[in-house]
Amino acid sequence: AAGVIQSPRHLIKEKRETATLKCYPIPRHDTVYWYQQGPGQDPQFLISFYEKMQSDKGSIPDRFSAQQFSDYHSELNMSSLELGDSALYFCASSLGPGGSKEKLFFGSGTQLSVL
Amino acid sequence: GNSVTQMEGPVTLSEEAFLTINCTYTATGYPSLFWYVQYPGEGLQLLLKATKADDKGSNKGFEATYRKETTSFHLEKGSVQVSDSAVYFCALVITGGGNKLTFGTGTQLKVEL
Repeated sequence: AAGVIQSPRHLIKEKRETATLKCYPIPRHDTVYWYQQGPGQDPQFLISFYEKMQSDKGSIPDRFSAQQFSDYHSELNMSSLELGDSALYFCASSLGPGGSKEKLFFGSGTQLSVL
Repeated sequence: GNSVTQMEGPVTLSEEAFLTINCTYTATGYPSLFWYVQYPGEGLQLLLKATKADDKGSNKGFEATYRKETTSFHLEKGSVQVSDSAVYFCALVITGGGNKLTFGTGTQLKVEL
């Protein structure tokens, strides 16, 4: 069965550069979530989209932006990268945005290293 | 606010030992509770969940019971295997709050022969 696909798997950037992370949800899933997991940290919710509209916002820095496209894939754009942005970025998808009964499916993540 | 507290790891056990990973929570609303597992190099996978008090979630020999009186959701397994070695995250979602998860810090489990 198709899962959540994230690309790239690994990304190395230098300070002040920009990065774009992509997430392709499970087919027919219309909701996408982004999480950031720093080294040895718990995943922190960044932002979510439902039907191409932002549905919720967490601890996402102003330097970051994201959007969901008509095919429901999402991109996380990160500018003016800082060393502290080095983390594993997870994307998750679900069918519908609401309710704890909806199961969330996670991708394998993009490991971003900022040098 | 909402928060999840897990016991710190790493937890090192011998194969076939009994496992308990403690998890307690605070929540502003009525939460559903989850355990996620993260194997090396992989994404988070839902292990089990419970959506109301006294519910027991179970999967692959793991169990956790939603205890409202103690605000806990401890993970247990009667006999661990080497293949259970992973990081385990306790998490909650507030009912009506979408799927925005609040995670604990994770507990690394190492199972040795």
